Amino acid sequence: SQQGEEDPQALSIQEGENATMNCSYKTSINNLQWYRQNSGRGLVHLILIRSNEREKHSGRLRVTLDTSKKSSSLLITASRAADTASYFCATDARSGGSNYKLTFGKGTLLTVNP
Amino acid sequence: NAGVMQNPRHLVRRRGQEARLRCSPMKGHSHVYWYRQLPEEGLKFMVYLQKENIIDESGMPKERFSAEFPKEGPSILRIQQVVRGDSAAYFCASSMDRTTYGYTFGSGTRLTVV
Repeated sequence: SQQGEEDPQALSIQEGENATMNCSYKTSINNLQWYRQNSGRGLVHLILIRSNEREKHSGRLRVTLDTSKKSSSLLITASRAADTASYFCATDARSGGSNYKLTFGKGTLLTVNP
Repeated sequence: NAGVMQNPRHLVRRRGQEARLRCSPMKGHSHVYWYRQLPEEGLKFMVYLQKENIIDESGMPKERFSAEFPKEGPSILRIQQVVRGDSAAYFCASSMDRTTYGYTFGSGTRLTVV
């Protein structure tokens, strides 16, 4: 079953606007990560937030984490057409022993219109 | 630093043939992960390997699929007797210390079974 579920599935905005994507998950996590995927390409790691952190910034990206609600949000400020991509959250949940693995959601397709 | 190298980028196989997908992790990375992505879907975990060891193969189909990461050379994902349902993008990722840095993904191999 999916651990991370992104919301919305698709988002279309105008250049310059802010984009907010949400992720909910089910089990306890060590950290949560956000990735970006351009069409037909591999995933690019954007930001990692640990379970004991509540907010993290990286350039125009802002990530929040609420472990009590098992949710995270990714905010992209002042969006650009080049931000058009699919965005995935991934949770790092210890699955017993030392067997770590990332579990991905289905992603949010962001379209930024010029 | 060439990043994670996957080859081939595209692979076409007839039903019943074997598919071999290769992944060379980033220099210094000893953790390798294979994921499968179907159209409009997120990434599904398949297997996690370290040198000469399969750490977690809980996402691998029990039959026809195998993976290795030998002491020398790339990691190999092998699919025997391919069927149409195996058509997907297969991504490899590597990490040095996932809890801090996240994964680095390759560009993927797109397998088409005809």
